[in-house]
Amino acid sequence: AQSVAQPEDQVNVAEGNPLTVKCTYSVSGNPYLFWYVQYPNRGLQFLLKYITGDNLVKGSYGFEAEFNKSQTSFHLKKPSALVSDSALYFCAVRDRDQAGTALIFGKGTTLSVSS
Amino acid sequence: DSGVTQTPKHLITATGQRVTLRCSPRSGDLSVYWYQQSLDQGLQFLIQYYNGEERAKGNILERFSAQQFPDLHSELNLSSLELGDSALYFCASSPSRGGAGYTFGSGTRLTVV
Repeated sequence: AQSVAQPEDQVNVAEGNPLTVKCTYSVSGNPYLFWYVQYPNRGLQFLLKYITGDNLVKGSYGFEAEFNKSQTSFHLKKPSALVSDSALYFCAVRDRDQAGTALIFGKGTTLSVSS
Repeated sequence: DSGVTQTPKHLITATGQRVTLRCSPRSGDLSVYWYQQSLDQGLQFLIQYYNGEERAKGNILERFSAQQFPDLHSELNLSSLELGDSALYFCASSPSRGGAGYTFGSGTRLTVV
């Protein structure tokens, strides 16, 4: 079975400071990993993904994430937070070695960036 | 606009009723996924269809069913509704069965009263 854990319900950071939103995953095979963002009353928007290759993945709006296989983590980072980054962030995983599986999402982390 | 269209955007109905939610995938996408988002359960995968056939099943209740039609649009049917079924229901689509990445619609907010 595959699962995702986002250990923090909320992350608070001041504008201009670096931010990290944590994610750990569990799959029996090799993972596809994703980050999505949800703004109020909107659907989920794709930020970035790890499929294979370079462990550091760069995505939209200056976000990046690092795949760490030994720690089964895929933390989302940004060097300098903006107030407009405030939103709900979801980490998701799919086992690419198993057919017939869909993306499984974490419970989400609310990012609040203060000015 | 993501290209995934969900209707209706809002739905209010009474307990015990039945509703149908509709999703049109992004042009060219063959897979459709349904998810339920609630405050206490987060984003739960319900079911996936690929080119008209059921492909994967998640935490979908027996009172819920879905199908994908030849034109690739999908419908999620929710019956014998309970207060606890109140949630946001999202549809997503992807080009292939595996779906390296999904495109999400803006959701249908269902309120059961």
